[in-house]
Amino acid sequence: SQTIHQWPATLVQPVGSPLSLECTVEGTSNPNLYWYRQAAGRGLQLLFYSVGIGQISSEVPQNLSASRPQDRQFILSSKKLLLSDSGFYLCAWNLDRTAGNTIYFGEGSWLTVV
Amino acid sequence: QKEVEQDPGPLSVPEGAIVSLNCTYSNSAFQYFMWYRQYSRKGPELLMYTYSSGNKEDGRFTAQVDKSSKYISLFIRDSQPSDSATYLCAMSFYGQNFVFGPGTRLSVLP
Repeated sequence: SQTIHQWPATLVQPVGSPLSLECTVEGTSNPNLYWYRQAAGRGLQLLFYSVGIGQISSEVPQNLSASRPQDRQFILSSKKLLLSDSGFYLCAWNLDRTAGNTIYFGEGSWLTVV
Repeated sequence: QKEVEQDPGPLSVPEGAIVSLNCTYSNSAFQYFMWYRQYSRKGPELLMYTYSSGNKEDGRFTAQVDKSSKYISLFIRDSQPSDSATYLCAMSFYGQNFVFGPGTRLSVLP
């Protein structure tokens, strides 16, 4: 069966520091990979998605970037964090985006920028 | 008008009650409908997935889709304290990203 791992689970970072969140999927190949941010009381906001190695689509212009160095690895980064980057970040995957198949989430990473 | 609307709650019910959670949406092109359960500080977990209109049942959970009214529901029978969580509806259509509701917080009181 497929599993998704996301880390770190919690982190507190000072303003202006870099960020790296990692996500890996096991048990499948060629997954579509997603980064979402969830703010309290709001729906999930899609940040980035990737349909293959090195292929990144950005949905929201911001202080963040994403990379996919390997088929099942997805990384969310920032060079200099802002206070507004605080939030709950979720990695997700599915197999066939064009068919509207459902999406599966990791456990999430809580980021507090201080 | 928001693309997906969902009552944020909180909704408190006694143990054993039937719970009804609902979402309305504006885009008639949506074809795939999902419900997720999210415990505090955890990632969303897929509960139910339906395609187009109709009902789907899985144990104590029933999902309903009424495309003519642009309305979806999740019913929980014999609710348990372990059902206390935030429930997110989500939808998509062919080739497009998923759209999520803000979630309804549910508390089932023992």
